[in-house]
Amino acid sequence: DAGVTQSPTHLIKTRGQHVTLRCSPISGHKSVSWYQQVLGQGPQFIFQYYEKEERGRGNFPDRFSARQFPNYSSELNVNALLLGDSALYLCASSQDRRFYNEQFFGPGTRLTVL
Amino acid sequence: SQELEQSPQSLIVQEGKNLTINCTSSKTLYGLYWYKQKYGEGLIFLMMLQKGGEEKSHEKITAKLDEKKQQSSLHITASQPSHAGIYLCGADRTGTYKYIFGTGTRLKVLA
Repeated sequence: DAGVTQSPTHLIKTRGQHVTLRCSPISGHKSVSWYQQVLGQGPQFIFQYYEKEERGRGNFPDRFSARQFPNYSSELNVNALLLGDSALYLCASSQDRRFYNEQFFGPGTRLTVL
Repeated sequence: SQELEQSPQSLIVQEGKNLTINCTSSKTLYGLYWYKQKYGEGLIFLMMLQKGGEEKSHEKITAKLDEKKQQSSLHITASQPSHAGIYLCGADRTGTYKYIFGTGTRLKVLA
């Protein structure tokens, strides 16, 4: 079985542009979470989606939005990009949203904002 | 404020040496996870601890969760260059559907 996949792997944008990142979960996983990891820090939680509904949101501005599709894949959208949005964006999937749930991470999308 | 603090922030050890990484929470943990990350890549799940006093081992890595469920340690025995990377602890925040990570510990193993 394929693991979590993310696209694109790398992306370069300029300030003010918008970006869409994509994630395909492991087959059978219904929950997808997004994280932002700035260089030298641990991942910061952005969103969690379960069964196409937002179940959790981290402390990120409204410029960040996401959605989950019927096939459980997900998109993360960031509008009006700032230099500070440059980071590794990680997607993780899990089977459901019960506690003590192991998450499987994708390789990430490296976003550079110039 | 960072809810999961890891120490040390970085560690350089000679191959064959033992080492310990700590993860401390200001609140009781409900599910503590350890991950390994190679620089700039995704996270690899290592172990999950649920109960106070629980201890798990996989190959040369042992993780423990204290009785109060506020501190966890990751111990590597006879380290190898393949152990190099960033070690992250993570935890579920009960009732919030949020998942938090520690600050990370960068491990380098010298051959």
